[in-house]
Amino acid sequence: DAGVIQSPRHEVTEMGQEVTLRCKPISGHDYLFWYRQTMMRGLELLIYFNNNVPIDDSGMPEDRFSAKMPNASFSTLKIQPSEPRDSAVYFCASSRRTGGGPEQYFGPGTRLTVT
Amino acid sequence: GIQVEQSPPDLILQEGANSTLRCNFSDSVNNLQWFHQNPWGQLINLFYIPSGTKQNGRLSATTVATERYSLLYISSSQTTDSGVYFCAVEKDFGNEKLTFGTGTRLTIIP
Repeated sequence: DAGVIQSPRHEVTEMGQEVTLRCKPISGHDYLFWYRQTMMRGLELLIYFNNNVPIDDSGMPEDRFSAKMPNASFSTLKIQPSEPRDSAVYFCASSRRTGGGPEQYFGPGTRLTVT
Repeated sequence: GIQVEQSPPDLILQEGANSTLRCNFSDSVNNLQWFHQNPWGQLINLFYIPSGTKQNGRLSATTVATERYSLLYISSSQTTDSGVYFCAVEKDFGNEKLTFGTGTRLTIIP
């Protein structure tokens, strides 16, 4: 399997611009997670989906953040408008809880820099 | 929320040495996973170990759920073992939210 795929790997944008991060989970996995990693706050869960349905978005920092999962093989995390404090590495992860174990498998991450 | 503490925060070892990393958590958990983040930032799942002991090559992990801690053992360290090791726990069954510790940064010197 190709593993979790994320794009872009790096994104540099100016404050106020819209940013869209993309994720393709491992085929057959029924859970998808979006995390953010910063030096100050470590790894934080932003939102997760089960069978394409958002289950818990309590970690989404503000209304500027939104996430969608239109089908089992694609999810987006959008920041609009972006701010410098959004600079971080954003990870997508997936797991196959149903019929499998809870192990989460991470993508390579998207390093976002907002200037 | 549940607290996850890892120790030591930093560890520098010579190649070939053995190491033990510790993870303490503040409440009962039904899911505990160990991850390795390599120097390029990739997070790799090492173990799912809510209780008991598992081994995978030079790595092994033990979780004593009743005493709320887990240990990760690395034997005969190699430079490729360098990176940050995270422990992550899930408190409630069916709630898939992992809470990550702050990690142990391991540096293996050739």
